[in-house]
Amino acid sequence: KAGVTQTPRYLIKTRGQQVTLSCSPISGHRSVSWYQQTPGQGLQFLFEYFSETQRNKGNFPGRFSGRQFSNSRSEMNVSTLELGDSALYLCASRRGLPSSYEQYFGPGTRLTVT
Amino acid sequence: DAKTTQPNSMESNEEEPVHLPCNHSTISGTDYIHWYRQLPSQGPEYVIHGLTSNVNNRMASLAIAEDRKSSTLILHRATLRDAAVYYCIPGVDSNYQLIWGAGTKLIIKP
Repeated sequence: KAGVTQTPRYLIKTRGQQVTLSCSPISGHRSVSWYQQTPGQGLQFLFEYFSETQRNKGNFPGRFSGRQFSNSRSEMNVSTLELGDSALYLCASRRGLPSSYEQYFGPGTRLTVT
Repeated sequence: DAKTTQPNSMESNEEEPVHLPCNHSTISGTDYIHWYRQLPSQGPEYVIHGLTSNVNNRMASLAIAEDRKSSTLILHRATLRDAAVYYCIPGVDSNYQLIWGAGTKLIIKP
């Protein structure tokens, strides 16, 4: 079956702009999480959505937001972009809120802010 | 949250077994130990997980110490495609999210 897909794969924006990234989870997976990955900070959790509700949120400013649709597809939005937002943004899906935490990751969206 | 200690990097020869160690001395009794890997230019990929007993799957084996303070991921016959950063994740944080460390960069020599 198809894996997690993310669009676009690469994006270049300028400071002050906003950006929307999209994630389609594996069919049947109701949970979608978003992560930011940078060389200096590693993988950092942004937020998780389950059945269209945000269940958990990491320690990021309010400029980072997301939503999940009824078909489990998810989007994340970053407003007023800063240079430090340049990173690989990863989306991961899993079936539900489990006792073990097997997640399936997409290839990521590489965002460059100039 | 449980903390991990992994080597920054390791080298191994192709077609030889690889043992990737991880110390997680503060792990709680109910936390699963997960291993993920991230190949270059890709998102992380699930490898294996376990609680107390040793576990095997088609990708690797996971050996868990009796006191659960350490574990070892075993790749039985490394190939060049196994070159990646390997993350040992001992449980979850208060938000039920996996706790990602810096991982071990595995270099495979042909």
